[in-house]
Amino acid sequence: EAGVTQSPTHLIKTRGQQATLRCSPISGHTSVYWYQQALGLGLQFLLWYDEGEERNRGNFPPRFSGRQFPNYSSELNVNALELEDSALYLCASSLRGRNQETQYFGPGTRLLVL
Amino acid sequence: AQSVAQPEDQVNVAEGNPLTVKCTYSVSGNPYLFWYVQYPNRGLQFLLKYITGDNLVKGSYGFEAEFNKSQTSFHLKKPSALVSDSALYFCAVREQSGYSTLTFGKGTMLLVSP
Repeated sequence: EAGVTQSPTHLIKTRGQQATLRCSPISGHTSVYWYQQALGLGLQFLLWYDEGEERNRGNFPPRFSGRQFPNYSSELNVNALELEDSALYLCASSLRGRNQETQYFGPGTRLLVL
Repeated sequence: AQSVAQPEDQVNVAEGNPLTVKCTYSVSGNPYLFWYVQYPNRGLQFLLKYITGDNLVKGSYGFEAEFNKSQTSFHLKKPSALVSDSALYFCAVREQSGYSTLTFGKGTMLLVSP
């Protein structure tokens, strides 16, 4: 069974540009979660999509946005990139939107903002 | 608000010795508790979780964790450490109710020496 996949693996942008990160969940999973892992800041929750709806949002500015498509894949968009957006962005998926479901993580997209 | 504390930035243990990685949590209701492991430049791998029932949870690769409600702890243990266990370990908590999110501790680096 294929795991969570993310693309691209690496992304280099300059300040002010936009970045688009993509995630494909495990087959049958309907919930997708996005996290930011920045150096020294640990794992921070960004967004949660379930059945196409945004269920929860972390403490990030509105320039972080996303969506979930009918096939449950998801996209994270970061507008007006800032240097501190440089981080590993992890996507996770779970079987359903229930809180006890295990989240399975992808390998991440490493974003570097110059 | 929910939170997780991993009081040790690093744990050092010799191969063959038992290991413990500590975790305490804070939630307003009942918790779901998770342990994940992260190898360098990789996403997170699920180890085990506590949902309900038996306080001792067994997981992947010989790891286990004990849920202690009175001490609000969920320490990760293994009877005999392997060099290959060296990695970054994350404890996480999620409230059972509502659209709660998974909150991670800052991580504990486990170093197992030969």
